[in-house]
Amino acid sequence: GQQLNQSPQSMFIQEGEDVSMNCTSSSIFNTWLWYKQEPGEGPVLLIALYKAGELTSNGRLTAQFGITRKDSFLNISASIPSDVGIYFCAGQPNSGYALNFGKGTSLLVTP
Amino acid sequence: DAGVIQSPRHEVTEMGQEVTLRCKPISGHDYLFWYRQTMMRGLELLIYFNNNVPIDDSGMPEDRFSAKMPNASFSTLKIQPSEPRDSAVYFCASSLARGKGDYGYTFGSGTRLTVV
Repeated sequence: GQQLNQSPQSMFIQEGEDVSMNCTSSSIFNTWLWYKQEPGEGPVLLIALYKAGELTSNGRLTAQFGITRKDSFLNISASIPSDVGIYFCAGQPNSGYALNFGKGTSLLVTP
Repeated sequence: DAGVIQSPRHEVTEMGQEVTLRCKPISGHDYLFWYRQTMMRGLELLIYFNNNVPIDDSGMPEDRFSAKMPNASFSTLKIQPSEPRDSAVYFCASSLARGKGDYGYTFGSGTRLTVV
């Protein structure tokens, strides 16, 4: 499947800081999603985006579907220690139903 | 709902042995996916089913891998014979069809496979 380019690969921040990560693709996607994975568990859906330009929030998390349909970003405001984990972007291409995943952004938050 | 249930959580086996991973999707979900996760390659789609029918198995590494979905509530991923390079975390996920509700997979907790 189409590989998504996710950056940064890792982030090490202090509690209270804001975080921004993004994902790009050379292909158009119909849907963008953001997941969080904690150790020993499967990824958990955070936000789903269905339309180009859409901006959606879930608590301290905000994500946007790029107008070109080839990118998306996720912001976390006022980070807390429990935000620690790996964040994955995922996109559904025009053809097929399966999601393609980015390599993930590993987030570490120090108190 | 108990979510997507995978078993076993951990599996250690010797090279050459047969391994069977099991998955129970969320009741009513139309799609079931098998993914493999490694540090080097991230999350890779192996195969997915729609209404118990395999739709795309192009991600299955080779003939040693096979997957079945005999009914809407059960799927297996089998590796025979297993090799050390198969060591990874295998995830099962399920989802509704677009237009039937919230899209987005629900993942199980995964099976960590170690082949020695």
